[in-house]
Amino acid sequence: QQQVKQSPQSLIVQKGGIPIINCAYENTAFDYFPWYQQFPGKGPALLIAIRPDVSEKKEGRFTISFNKSAKQFSLHIMDSQPGDSATYFCAASMYAGNMLTFGGGTRLMVKP
Amino acid sequence: DAGITQSPRHKVTETGTPVTLRCHQTENHRYMYWYRQDPGHGLRLIHYSYGVKDTDKGEVSDGYSVSRSKTEDFLLTLESATSSQTSVYFCAISGTGPPGNTIYFGEGSWLTVV
Repeated sequence: QQQVKQSPQSLIVQKGGIPIINCAYENTAFDYFPWYQQFPGKGPALLIAIRPDVSEKKEGRFTISFNKSAKQFSLHIMDSQPGDSATYFCAASMYAGNMLTFGGGTRLMVKP
Repeated sequence: DAGITQSPRHKVTETGTPVTLRCHQTENHRYMYWYRQDPGHGLRLIHYSYGVKDTDKGEVSDGYSVSRSKTEDFLLTLESATSSQTSVYFCAISGTGPPGNTIYFGEGSWLTVV
């Protein structure tokens, strides 16, 4: 049973567009939600993370929106660039825990 | 780079043979993890370690064993490899642990079981 569901599986946008990747979780004990970015042939790397005491967090062109009541969170990439083409994973854990549960991943392609 | 070296990076093995993947870290981090990555499943935790000789099972531990005899090394063993274990295996480390620990991943080991 997948505790974190991610959509879409793949996404194609034009340069400058705003891709949005959505995740939904089931375990209400989760209270730490990071996003990881993975380039081909590399391991995932932490991009941005949020805790449920805020509804939005921005770091550069990347924004996480969080809806606690709906148990959903999403990643928005502003002014997307071809260099953002990668696979993105959402994840969740308990802030006081040491194990991450990952979503299935979204392969993003940003066309020039 | 987070100071994580995985070996081998690529391996092809036959069904039924034992396989050991090695993860070596230079960060002296307490927590070490083994994940596998498969299309549509994201990354799934196999086993993790919270100290020397201290390990625990993750979500998909069947068919895998681990050992950690030194802080810097975490070994993943497939006792008798099966085709369903064809995957990309990632080692990860975490220094601070909870709360909100950041996990750093190695570059992966591609394993094909034929």
